[in-house]
Amino acid sequence: GAGVSQSPSNKVTEKGKDVELRCDPISGHTALYWYRQRLGQGLEFLIYFQGNSAPDKSGLPSDRFSAERTGESVSTLTIQRTQQEDSAVYLCASTRGGSSGANVLTFGAGSRLTVL
Amino acid sequence: AQSVTQPDIHITVSEGASLELRCNYSYGATPYLFWYVQSPGQGLQLLLKYFSGDTLVQGIKGFEAEFKRSQSSFNLRKPSVHWSDAAEYFCAVGATGGSYIPTFGRGTSLIVHP
Repeated sequence: GAGVSQSPSNKVTEKGKDVELRCDPISGHTALYWYRQRLGQGLEFLIYFQGNSAPDKSGLPSDRFSAERTGESVSTLTIQRTQQEDSAVYLCASTRGGSSGANVLTFGAGSRLTVL
Repeated sequence: AQSVTQPDIHITVSEGASLELRCNYSYGATPYLFWYVQSPGQGLQLLLKYFSGDTLVQGIKGFEAEFKRSQSSFNLRKPSVHWSDAAEYFCAVGATGGSYIPTFGRGTSLIVHP
């Protein structure tokens, strides 16, 4: 597609439920990032995928969080047993470049998660 | 590891006034530097970036930023703000070695008064 697509755009769930958030990157972009943006805070790195390499999971806050990506296609971020502190906007970004700090990221509009 | 500080949470300016948003970074060398803008309901969009060379870089929408090595700063400026510039602005740092995960500041919310 023309841009990074994320779904759902909004999700309201009850505490303890599992949620799945989806990211469809730009075609041809080998790298994919997930960030979390809590209200009034900056972007918190969660996980990074680069091609078929093992993902960098160093930012995942707990074992309730996991993510998958098949090849260079869609990625799914799963949060199990959601807690109220998981409420945030989850942003996905992709880039064509390799593993470099010079990469310019293209972001999706985000998935806003509200845990009641 | 690199870090980014945006000291101003909110900035309020009148339409037509000049603007400067502050960004300071911590890194052992000259990093890659970025400014992104997030308009309501939209993803972050790149405004401009600095990799090397001329320390004054021009971006989209009339924005510019100046890299000052001595101050570890990369402040964003615009000579005349438009109401449509109201948004959240994020400074980001990319390492030139080691980690390839960009680090973002907490953002500055720009409010524009008519």
